[in-house]
Amino acid sequence: GQQVMQIPQYQHVQEGEDFTTYCNSSTTLSNIQWYKQRPGGHPVFLIQLVKSGEVKKQKRLTFQFGEAKKNSSLHITATQTTDVGTYFCATNAGGTSYGKLTFGQGTILTVHP
Amino acid sequence: SQTIHQWPATLVQPVGSPLSLECTVEGTSNPNLYWYRQAAGRGLQLLFYSVGIGQISSEVPQNLSASRPQDRQFILSSKKLLLSDSGFYLCAWSLGQPTGELFFGEGSRLTVL
Repeated sequence: GQQVMQIPQYQHVQEGEDFTTYCNSSTTLSNIQWYKQRPGGHPVFLIQLVKSGEVKKQKRLTFQFGEAKKNSSLHITATQTTDVGTYFCATNAGGTSYGKLTFGQGTILTVHP
Repeated sequence: SQTIHQWPATLVQPVGSPLSLECTVEGTSNPNLYWYRQAAGRGLQLLFYSVGIGQISSEVPQNLSASRPQDRQFILSSKKLLLSDSGFYLCAWSLGQPTGELFFGEGSRLTVL
């Protein structure tokens, strides 16, 4: 099945600094999804990207899908303490009609006030 | 609107004891259902998924089993727990689309002693 590698594993930033996490695959992805999991909570869907070169924004969050559809990134501008958590990318296992997702290992973001 | 309920939220079980985690979805019909496990500080491992009543696919060989006795009910079981079964278990649902956005339950934190 599809494998996605996510880097970095950990990121510590001062409040106000930017943050980026990357998701990479050796194969072309049909889509990429991003989830956020707050400490002690459950993953919550953020967004899905399906088109080559697609860029989507949600307030301070910018999501990109690479031109070759083999990588994606999530960038947070001017982090806040509310951004703390683990960010996962996930991709749909190709060839299926249901949402069997393979998740990256996640990037744990810590924001120091 | 759709909701997902998962219980119990936490449990501590001795090695060799049985396990039953239950998940129900409301507000939708014929959802795809999933059980994921998350070890501490790690990513999400897909354990089982189901596209319909009585249809269960296992992703990882283990001493766990899953059942779907009703359309919106998904149960994770074990006859004899191992120490390695400790973790955070997440039930999720999605609609039968290629997009496969997942909606997660609150999770069940299992500690096997």
